[in-house]
Amino acid sequence: KAGVTQTPRYLIKTRGQQVTLSCSPISGHRSVSWYQQTPGQGLQFLFEYFSETQRNKGNFPGRFSGRQFSNSRSEMNVSTLELGDSALYLCASSLVAQGRGSYEQYFGPGTRLTVT
Amino acid sequence: TQLLEQSPQFLSIQEGENLTVYCNSSSVFSSLQWYRQEPGEGPVLLVTVVTGGEVKKLKRLTFQFGDARKDSSLHITAAQPGDTGLYLCAGVAAGNKLTFGGGTRVLVKP
Repeated sequence: KAGVTQTPRYLIKTRGQQVTLSCSPISGHRSVSWYQQTPGQGLQFLFEYFSETQRNKGNFPGRFSGRQFSNSRSEMNVSTLELGDSALYLCASSLVAQGRGSYEQYFGPGTRLTVT
Repeated sequence: TQLLEQSPQFLSIQEGENLTVYCNSSSVFSSLQWYRQEPGEGPVLLVTVVTGGEVKKLKRLTFQFGDARKDSSLHITAAQPGDTGLYLCAGVAAGNKLTFGGGTRVLVKP
C-alpha cells in the first residue's frame, strides 16, 4: 500500500505571497491532519479533516486554512506569508478521526517551506 | 491543555551503550505513541501503548506505559548508529487532539 505523499517537497516563497501544499493520504484513510514543525516550537497541530469536514483546529492564525476533497486528498493554504512561516509542513493520515481509538498517524515526508 | 514533557532534549552516546528517553505529563492519556523521525523525513510510528503498566518490545527497543497512564519511557539496549533520530511521544486523550512532546534528539556515534 502506498504511503502518504506530499507535494511539493521543497518550496521557496517571498514574504506576502501565498502557498498551497498538497497531501494524498494512504488509501482508505479518511482523516488527514496537518502539522508545522520548527526547531524552536517542535511539532504543532494545525488542523484535521475527516470526510471533507474540519474536525479540529490548532492555535494558528486564519492565514492558515485547509480543505479536503471527496477522495480524501487534502490541501493546505497559507496566505500572506511571513518569515516565521518557514518550517517543515507535515501531513498525516489515519484510519479514524481524533477521539476515536488510538488515532495512529502515518506521516508523509513533509514539504520544506522557506520564506525569504 | 495536555502537555507532554520529554527528557532529555538531546542525548549523545557511543555505539553499544544503552539509553532511556522519558515522556511525562500531569494528564492521563488513553493511549500513547512513540515515533522516530530521521532528517528530511516524516515521523514513523514505532509503537502504541494503551494499558497502564504495559510493556512492549521492538527488537532492542522497550516501551513502557506508566501505571497511571501519565508517563512513558523508551529504552534502547546496545544502541546502534541506525537508532539516530528524533524520538517523539504523542498522547491521545479521549475526545481531544493528539498532543506531541517536544522530542528527544538521539545521536549514536560509531
